[in-house]
Amino acid sequence: GAVVSQHPSRVICKSGTSVKIECRSLDFQATTMFWYRQFPKQSLMLMATSNEGSKATYEQGVEKDKFLINHASLTLSTLTVTSAHPEDSSFYICSARPGTGAIEQYFGPGTRLTVT
Amino acid sequence: GENVEQHPSTLSVQEGDSAVIKCTYSDSASNYFPWYKQELGKRPQLIIDIRSNVGEKKDQRIAVTLNKTAKHFSLHITETQPEDSAVYFCAASIDFGNEKLTFGTGTRLTIIP
Repeated sequence: GAVVSQHPSRVICKSGTSVKIECRSLDFQATTMFWYRQFPKQSLMLMATSNEGSKATYEQGVEKDKFLINHASLTLSTLTVTSAHPEDSSFYICSARPGTGAIEQYFGPGTRLTVT
Repeated sequence: GENVEQHPSTLSVQEGDSAVIKCTYSDSASNYFPWYKQELGKRPQLIIDIRSNVGEKKDQRIAVTLNKTAKHFSLHITETQPEDSAVYFCAASIDFGNEKLTFGTGTRLTIIP
């Protein structure tokens, strides 16, 4: 149980284009999902907290107009990197909490974004 | 906000020996402390967690201890095996609402055959 999927696993895009990453909870409903960014050999850096049916809460320093988050259903959250630049290249990982009252977070497999 | 420090950053142990990774946290309100294992290019996987109402939790070769007074918690892996090689992250959170996890900086554990 508590499986989280992410799509795509890898994506290469050109500077200036937008990329959408999907995060799905496969066997549970997730009222809260989190989006992280991870640079090589570094820790996970929380970008935003996504709640179903409401606006995401962004961490300090994260541009909400550049990283658009939509949590339209209890099993799907999307992260759109708009007008991507090479410095946006990174490993993006989502996580989800299985339902209200749960504290555990289960992670997706991550999406490696390369912007050329 | 919460700050989590993790030590050591790298750790090498002989197969069969024990490994210990330590973390300290700053917010005394934190009451949930998970540990994640991440292999190269893969997702972090929850391996064990502890809440502040207990001082120790064990699951086969893995154990976590918590000292609330000192605000530190540790991961203990006994009888290490090559497949234990990975990066381990500790984290801290407040078990309330949508509280986020604050992660430590990670420990790269290498098991030497």
